[in-house]
Amino acid sequence: QKEVEQDPGPLSVPEGAIVSLNCTYSNSAFQYFMWYRQYSRKGPELLMYTYSSGNKEDGRFTAQVDKSSKYISLFIRDSQPSDSATYLCAMKDTNAGKSTFGDGTTLTVKP
Amino acid sequence: EAGVTQSPTHLIKTRGQQATLRCSPISGHTSVYWYQQALGLGLQFLLWYDEGEERNRGNFPPRFSGRQFPNYSSELNVNALELEDSALYLCASSVPGLTHYEQYFGPGTRLTVT
Repeated sequence: QKEVEQDPGPLSVPEGAIVSLNCTYSNSAFQYFMWYRQYSRKGPELLMYTYSSGNKEDGRFTAQVDKSSKYISLFIRDSQPSDSATYLCAMKDTNAGKSTFGDGTTLTVKP
Repeated sequence: EAGVTQSPTHLIKTRGQQATLRCSPISGHTSVYWYQQALGLGLQFLLWYDEGEERNRGNFPPRFSGRQFPNYSSELNVNALELEDSALYLCASSVPGLTHYEQYFGPGTRLTVT
């Protein structure tokens, strides 16, 4: 069983929709939770991070962590065609060191 | 500020050959991470270098190796290439301190083994 499981998608939504992307994990030592966005033929870029449980909002993006359920989510409000990309969740048990990634969810936002 | 750079962009090798991939981190970043991203899969952790030393390695065979140079750039070597080594190899760097979790990725080197 993988340490991090991500809803596989793909996901296709109309412009303006609210998007929910989700990951579950099994390692209770994870404390740092990140979401990366990866455009085709590019490296991932960090979108959001959360330390421990709670919510964090940044513009149209909200990251949510529920450590008791070992479940994290990324919400995108008023989705735009430019949001079309693969979204990867990632987690770490310490500040430094490796990140453990989900397999990614490919999102397409149609105009 | 220049981002993480990787070379070459593409690399085509034959099974059994060796491949060398290079990475230059962002100025001031001392940690370099290598990940493998096979088609349709997430990133699999390969190696972590910090201050010139290997700090951790993932579940990959010993034919995957690397090093970090005094200027913090890094090299990933893959010996005795196999067909399943075909993937995008991503390098990331981070700065020591409170934001160590924040890894900045390069564009990757796409390795094709035929």
